[in-house]
Amino acid sequence: EPEVTQTPSHQVTQMGQEVILRCVPISNHLYFYWYRQILGQKVEFLVSFYNNEISEKSEIFDDQFSVERPDGSNFTLKIRSTKLEDSAMYFCASSEVGGYTFGSGTRLTVV
Amino acid sequence: DQQVKQNSPSLSVQEGRISILNCDYTNSMFDYFLWYKKYPAEGPTFLISISSIKDKNEDGRFTVFLNKSAKHLSLHIVPSQPGDSAVYFCAASASPDSNSGYALNFGKGTSLLVTP
Repeated sequence: EPEVTQTPSHQVTQMGQEVILRCVPISNHLYFYWYRQILGQKVEFLVSFYNNEISEKSEIFDDQFSVERPDGSNFTLKIRSTKLEDSAMYFCASSEVGGYTFGSGTRLTVV
Repeated sequence: DQQVKQNSPSLSVQEGRISILNCDYTNSMFDYFLWYKKYPAEGPTFLISISSIKDKNEDGRFTVFLNKSAKHLSLHIVPSQPGDSAVYFCAASASPDSNSGYALNFGKGTSLLVTP
């Protein structure tokens, strides 16, 4: 069964450093998303991406965040200068028009 | 703001019995609802969805009921099995948009434990 692949599974970074979280969506999907889940809290929408541009973003997705689809297969989330409160599970997802498929997540720990 | 609410953080059910997980929403623009199941260290897995034109959708042991007037939906699992033990998330959205996809608003989840 097709799956969304995220790497790394766990990343530890120092506060103020840049991190790039990587995702390989399902190949024939057209819509791509990033979500995050802070420990003990709900899953929160960050951004959706379609046709090589951001189609929707939440208040969380401020100037510190950016997304990119650098080639035909990868979809990346960059956090420019990480803060302690960015520590969370970050989930990538892709979809056709219908149900999403989520990746297993990257646990980001900012120290 | 919490637009999707799952007021029961946990639920324990005996194997073979019915599990009922509840979800309420506040945004009347939501017309597409989904349930996801999540195991530790994994991403959410899609279970079942329903659009607002229906009040029931069934898929095997899983049935979702939608009460639009009450802005309430529920997921029924019959019969419950120990492998169903996981966190269940309710999610809601406006209809998928072919030009932009759609953002999901999640509840905080209900942890279901099915005991033998």
